[in-house]
Amino acid sequence: QTVVTQEPSFSVSPGGTVTLTCGLSSGSVSTSYYPSWYQQTPGQAPRTLIYSTNTRSSGVPDRFSGSILGNKAALTITGAQADDESDYYCVLYMGSGTVVFGGGTKLTVL
Amino acid sequence: QVQLVQSGAEVKKPGSSVKVSCKASGGTFSSYTISWVRQAPGQGLEWMGRIIPILGIANYAQKFQGRVTITADKSTSTAYMELSSLRSEDTAVYYCAREMVSGSYYFDYWGQGTLVTVSS
Repeated sequence: QTVVTQEPSFSVSPGGTVTLTCGLSSGSVSTSYYPSWYQQTPGQAPRTLIYSTNTRSSGVPDRFSGSILGNKAALTITGAQADDESDYYCVLYMGSGTVVFGGGTKLTVL
Repeated sequence: QVQLVQSGAEVKKPGSSVKVSCKASGGTFSSYTISWVRQAPGQGLEWMGRIIPILGIANYAQKFQGRVTITADKSTSTAYMELSSLRSEDTAVYYCAREMVSGSYYFDYWGQGTLVTVSS
C-alpha cells in the first residue's frame, strides 16, 4: 500500500520561509493527485489551507502557497509568524474514490 | 455559512458499536459529499470513508471495510458514521468534513469533532 510521506517536524525562524513536502513511498506526486493542505492546532478541527495543488482556500493569507517541487507536493510559508506553529497535513487523491492523509509535519516557529 | 455540527462525546465498551451524527446547515446537503476522518490521541488524521447523500452511495478506506457504515438522511441534512466491534485503538476524535469531489478532492468545512472513548 502506498504511503504518503511528510517530514515529521520542521523548524523556522519568525519571518523566515519554510517549505514542507508531501511525497509518495512509491512514485511521484503530480497535480493529478489534487494535493491539499490542512493546518491543525491542538484541540481544534483542521483548517483548509490549499487545494488542487495551489489554490488558497477562502481567507487564507497569501504567505501560504502550494506547488509541485520535483516529485512532491509542497507547502511554502513565507514570512512565518508565531501563530503558524501548528501541525500540517497533506491529502492526496489516490484514485477509485480514495484519499490518503500524510502523517503530518509539526512546525515550530522559534 | 456552512456549518457541520456533530453529536456529543461517547464512552463505549470494547466489542460494542458507536454511531456519530453530523448535521449540516447553510448549504445544499445533497450537492456535496461528507467524509469521516479520525484522529487517535497524539496521532495524525486518517480518512475513513465518505457518502454521496444525493445517491446514498458510500465508499470506505480499505482499513475500515466491514466495520464502518456511513449513511445520510437527506430530510434532516444529517450524515452518520457507525463503527462496530470497537476496540481500544478506536479511541479517537472523529470528524465529519464536507468534501469537494468534482474537479478536485479536498475538504472545505469541518465539524467540531466527537471524542469516542473505548474502555472497559
